[in-house]
Parts: sequence; C-alpha cells; structure tokens
Amino acid sequence: QVQLVESGGGLVKPGESLRLSCAASGFPFSDYYMTWIRQAPGKGLERVSYISSSGRTIYYADSVKGRFTVSRDNATNSLYLQMNNLRAEDTAVYYCARGYDFWLYWGQGTLVTVSS
Amino acid sequence: EIMMTQSPATLSVSPGERATLSCRASQSVGTNLAWYQQKPGQAPRLLIYGASTRASAFPARFSGSGSGTEFTLTISSLLSEDVAVYYCQHYNNWARSLTFGQGTRLEIK
Repeated sequence: QVQLVESGGGLVKPGESLRLSCAASGFPFSDYYMTWIRQAPGKGLERVSYISSSGRTIYYADSVKGRFTVSRDNATNSLYLQMNNLRAEDTAVYYCARGYDFWLYWGQGTLVTVSS
Repeated sequence: EIMMTQSPATLSVSPGERATLSCRASQSVGTNLAWYQQKPGQAPRLLIYGASTRASAFPARFSGSGSGTEFTLTISSLLSEDVAVYYCQHYNNWARSLTFGQGTRLEIK
C-alpha cells in the first residue's frame, strides 16, 4: 500500500536551516509529482512546493521562494525539502503528499518549530 | 489569487441530522474543487474531488455538489465519527493556482 513517511523536523532558531525527508513506498515514485504542504498550529493548510516526476518542473509558494528548495531522488524513492533562513512563521507540521493538484495520499507529517 | 471562503466557521449538528457545509470561490473554478476531512492529530484525508466525486474510503452519506463559485458538502446523517474540520480546496488544471478554505469545524450537538 502507499506509504509516505516524513522525517527531519525539530526545533531550530530563526535563521537556521533544516532538511526534511519523505520516504515513499508502495507505488512507482518516479511516475508522480510530489508536494509539500504545511499547517501552522491551529491553522489551515498551505501548499509550500511541488516537484514534477522528473524534477524539471518545480513550484514554490511566495512565502518560501528563495529560502526553500525541493528535490527528489527517484533511485531511492525520496523527496526532500531544504529549508534555509527559517522564520517563526515557518513553524508548522509539514506533510508530503502524492500528486500536485489534490492529494489522496499524505504522510503523517513532521513538526518544524522555529523559535529562539 | 482565487480566495476560498467556507461557512460557517463552526457547525453543530445532532446525531442523525443533516450537515451542510458551504464553500465559495471568489471567481469561477468550474468543478476543480476538493474537500478534505481532518481529525485532530491526523493528516487531512481526501473526501471529494471534481466537486462531486467521492473518494472510495468514504461512505455514501458524504456528498459534494456545486460548480462555478458555490459548493456544498453534505453529510446526510451525522455520526459521531464525522466530527472533524473540513477544508475545501480549489485547483486549476496545471495547479499553479491552488488555495484552501479556512475550514469548517463540525461538532456534535
């Protein structure tokens, strides 16, 4: 069955960096766009970034453009989100999800807390 | 950017009664509309896509309708397990434009 497992979250200070990973299994990873979606505590959902199956097409929300970098390794069925210059407003649960427009499959999420 | 507005913010419904949740788009999105159910501590679950196609994991008491700017999620007979926050989400064909509503919290009365 389809499984998406995020890791890499934690507590960091403003200005620091963090790299999130998403391990995918149960489907042909290299055939699918993948998306990162976040949810601030007690708040709604925000699409952060997506990447095409080949990695050639990438999208970033304006709120993270220039600070976050999405990438993937189709050989290891892995999705990544490199987050630099983190801000307090980046505090959220980060989910990886399969697809790019709406998402049937989601991971369980990993919490990123940015606080001094 | 297309704005999605959900109403009400909180809805209290008695068990067995009908729950009607609304989602309005600031401009027409056709039927490019999805609904998600999110329970506390869990990831969202896709409930409806294409405005009215129900995901297979959900029973027939859940239905979606609407097109253009007005959409409705209906739960025909509420069960306690349906308590959750429900989000609508618009998407376009190439997903460059995609926004979520702010959510409706559904409670048992």
